[in-house]
Amino acid sequence: GAGVSQSPSNKVTEKGKDVELRCDPISGHTALYWYRQRLGQGLEFLIYFQGNSAPDKSGLPSDRFSAERTGESVSTLTIQRTQQEDSAVYLCASSLDLAGGASTGYTFGSGTRLTVV
Amino acid sequence: SQQGEEDPQALSIQEGENATMNCSYKTSINNLQWYRQNSGRGLVHLILIRSNEREKHSGRLRVTLDTSKKSSSLLITASRAADTASYFCATASIQGAQKLVFGQGTRLTINP
Repeated sequence: GAGVSQSPSNKVTEKGKDVELRCDPISGHTALYWYRQRLGQGLEFLIYFQGNSAPDKSGLPSDRFSAERTGESVSTLTIQRTQQEDSAVYLCASSLDLAGGASTGYTFGSGTRLTVV
Repeated sequence: SQQGEEDPQALSIQEGENATMNCSYKTSINNLQWYRQNSGRGLVHLILIRSNEREKHSGRLRVTLDTSKKSSSLLITASRAADTASYFCATASIQGAQKLVFGQGTRLTINP
């Protein structure tokens, strides 16, 4: 597609429920990244994919968080047993190459705003 | 800890004035990038400067990089109301260069 697409754009869920967030990167982009942004804060790295592999999962906050990528395309971020502190905007980005997207930078999606009540 | 730290946290200026934002970082970098974010959603890539570059221009944007001081600045000239947004610097360090580490951002407000 023309850009990075994320769905849903907004999600309200009850504490304890599981949620799945989806990211469709730009076709042909090798690298895919997930970040979390709490209100008024900077971006917190969660995980990145090179192809379908995740060499760096160091930012995942707990074992309730997992992510996968298939077909070197779509990625899903799953949060199990959601807690109120999980409320944030979850941003996905893709880049043509690694090294921080060294040739063209990242292209971000519009994010999923998750609210846990 | 955050690699990039922006300064100031918030900046309010009159339309037509120039806006300068600064970023400091801690480790050796491969490149440094600036992004803009409107309304707390997706970020837009503005400009990328590599570690062997000192200055780069793009339209009304000018970025400088001083690797000896581990700092960068973003200058927006002749500001417009549409420039109102949050601006983030992001670094790709030589170690762990595969991901960008973002700072906390500068909230820029352009008053008409």
